[in-house]
Amino acid sequence: GQSLEQPSEVTAVEGAIVQINCTYQTSGFYGLSWYQQHDGGAPTFLSYNALDGLEETGRFSSFLSRSDSYGYLLLQELQMKDSASYFCAGRGGGNKLTFGTGTQLKVEL
Amino acid sequence: DTEVTQTPKHLVMGMTNKKSLKCEQHMGHRAMYWYKQKAKKPPELMFVYSYEKLSINESVPSRFSPECPNSSLLNLHLHALQPEDSALYLCASSQEGAGPNTGELFFGEGSRLTVL
Repeated sequence: GQSLEQPSEVTAVEGAIVQINCTYQTSGFYGLSWYQQHDGGAPTFLSYNALDGLEETGRFSSFLSRSDSYGYLLLQELQMKDSASYFCAGRGGGNKLTFGTGTQLKVEL
Repeated sequence: DTEVTQTPKHLVMGMTNKKSLKCEQHMGHRAMYWYKQKAKKPPELMFVYSYEKLSINESVPSRFSPECPNSSLLNLHLHALQPEDSALYLCASSQEGAGPNTGELFFGEGSRLTVL
């Protein structure tokens, strides 16, 4: 199976850069996804890393190191609307996607 | 159409009731999922259907019974639930083939279930 650990809470100010880390232990791993979920809303896809390295999508970047079983999500130019829960998710065989413990991001003025 | 539609949005049921949650997508996705999410917790995988066949059952109690009538529809039949089953039930879909390469699941807004 898979287990993915994240910090429970991160606080940052508007306009800053924040990094949310994800460490994983898994047997059978195809890649790491990141999802955002606002209170009362559905998880929405942010990014996916199948290979080691950095993937950039606008203000969001995601990084994966398979050798270190580690990844992170980098959010730049933080906005108040970025306050949400962020989940890493490990892609296993058979379409299995296992979510990490989740990080609640609070953006302050 | 990039939506996954779930009905009902809210459901209250007694422990002896039988009810069903419904999920529909028209993106041509051939993988569909049920997740359960408790407050302040991550979504937990329950079932995966691939090409209308059940491919993953994460040891879910038999009081939850999934059904995939066709490639666009996914149901979750509920019977004799317990109060601890109260949660947000999320349906999702993804492409087969491209799915594992992109890691992208499309989620519905969920059905919030309360068991009294």
